[in-house]
Amino acid sequence: NAGVMQNPRHLVRRRGQEARLRCSPMKGHSHVYWYRQLPEEGLKFMVYLQKENIIDESGMPKERFSAEFPKEGPSILRIQQVVRGDSAAYFCASSATGNNSPLHFGNGTRLTVT
Amino acid sequence: ELKVEQNPLFLSMQEGKNYTIYCNYSTTSDRLYWYRQDPGKSLESLFVLLSNGAVKQEGRLMASLDTKARLSTLHITAAVHDLSATYFCAVDVTYSGGGADGLTFGKGTHLIIQP
Repeated sequence: NAGVMQNPRHLVRRRGQEARLRCSPMKGHSHVYWYRQLPEEGLKFMVYLQKENIIDESGMPKERFSAEFPKEGPSILRIQQVVRGDSAAYFCASSATGNNSPLHFGNGTRLTVT
Repeated sequence: ELKVEQNPLFLSMQEGKNYTIYCNYSTTSDRLYWYRQDPGKSLESLFVLLSNGAVKQEGRLMASLDTKARLSTLHITAAVHDLSATYFCAVDVTYSGGGADGLTFGKGTHLIIQP
């Protein structure tokens, strides 16, 4: 049973470009979370999605960031017009249900904005 | 806003010694997680603590939860070099009725165990 798969592992973008980060949850998991980790910091919650629905996006910046989890295919975290401050590791996690299920994390995508 | 504070943030210790990492949080929650992260890697779930007084042990690591004090501890017994990593505690905001559906993490404790 493959774990949470994220790709790419590393992504380099110039300022102003778009970044697309993909996450395939564990098999059987329908809840996906995105977190951002800055160097030497803990993870910050960004968004929680279920299939075709955004449940909570209270941690998402209001502009340039969006997330989706379509009926088919991986969850996508999209960052438009990236700036240097977007450089971070972005982790996806999935769980079987929203409550009482531990989160399983992917290996993360390390975004560098030059 | 939920705050999760860990201390110490940095710890260097010798093999064979015992030490405790502390995790305080600012609002009611009965669900707390401990994770381990190696450099450049993802987070590995260590413990899930679901009730007051919960104590869990795995090898040289033992975690406990005191919901009244809003405190969790991660105790390391007779440390070995392989335990060098960053350890995060995380509190479940949903369970606390905070309204958000995600974990709030502490800043992490960077643990270096020297041979």
